[in-house]
Amino acid sequence: AQSVAQPEDQVKVAEGNPLTVKCTYSVSGNPYLFWYVQYPNRGLQFLLKYITGDNLVKGSYGFEAEFNKSQTSFHLKKPSALVSDSALYFCAVRPQWGANNLFFGTGTRLTVIP
Amino acid sequence: GAGVSQSPRYKVAKRGQDVALRCDPISGHVSLFWYQQALGQGPEFLTYFQNEAQLDKSGLPSDRFFAERPEGSVSTLKIQRTQQEDSAVYLCASSLGEQETQYFGPGTRLLVL
Repeated sequence: AQSVAQPEDQVKVAEGNPLTVKCTYSVSGNPYLFWYVQYPNRGLQFLLKYITGDNLVKGSYGFEAEFNKSQTSFHLKKPSALVSDSALYFCAVRPQWGANNLFFGTGTRLTVIP
Repeated sequence: GAGVSQSPRYKVAKRGQDVALRCDPISGHVSLFWYQQALGQGPEFLTYFQNEAQLDKSGLPSDRFFAERPEGSVSTLKIQRTQQEDSAVYLCASSLGEQETQYFGPGTRLLVL
């Protein structure tokens, strides 16, 4: 069975500091991994994905994520947080074969403090 | 270009009423997905179309939920005899192909009173 865990409901960081939002996954076979961001009353916006290749993936708005197969993790990172990064972040996984839909975590609310 | 659009954005229904939620995917996108997002939760899969074919409906919670995409473009999610537990945000996503990135619409927030 496929599943995603986001162990932190909330993350707070000061503006200008690095941020990390954690994600671990369970999937049959090779994973396709995604990060989405959700602003109030908006849908999910795609940030980045890992399919294969380099374990460090760069995405929109200066975000990046590192795939770690041995730890089954895909943590989202940004070197310097902005107040405008404050939002709800979702990690999602899809198996390479089989189901085409995404399996989402419960989300992490990021607050960047000015 | 235009993204995924959904209508209505908000819907209030009395318990027992039928509702229809519309999704306009990105032009040319073959795959279309419906998800349900309860308050404080991540989206959960409902159903998947490839063109007009509904290939997976394993996530539909009951036979009151029905989805269609008759011409392989616009899709409608219909909920019959709505119940309070149907209150949620219904998200539509489309992708170029079944293994491509899914792009989401703004969602329809359904409140059943």
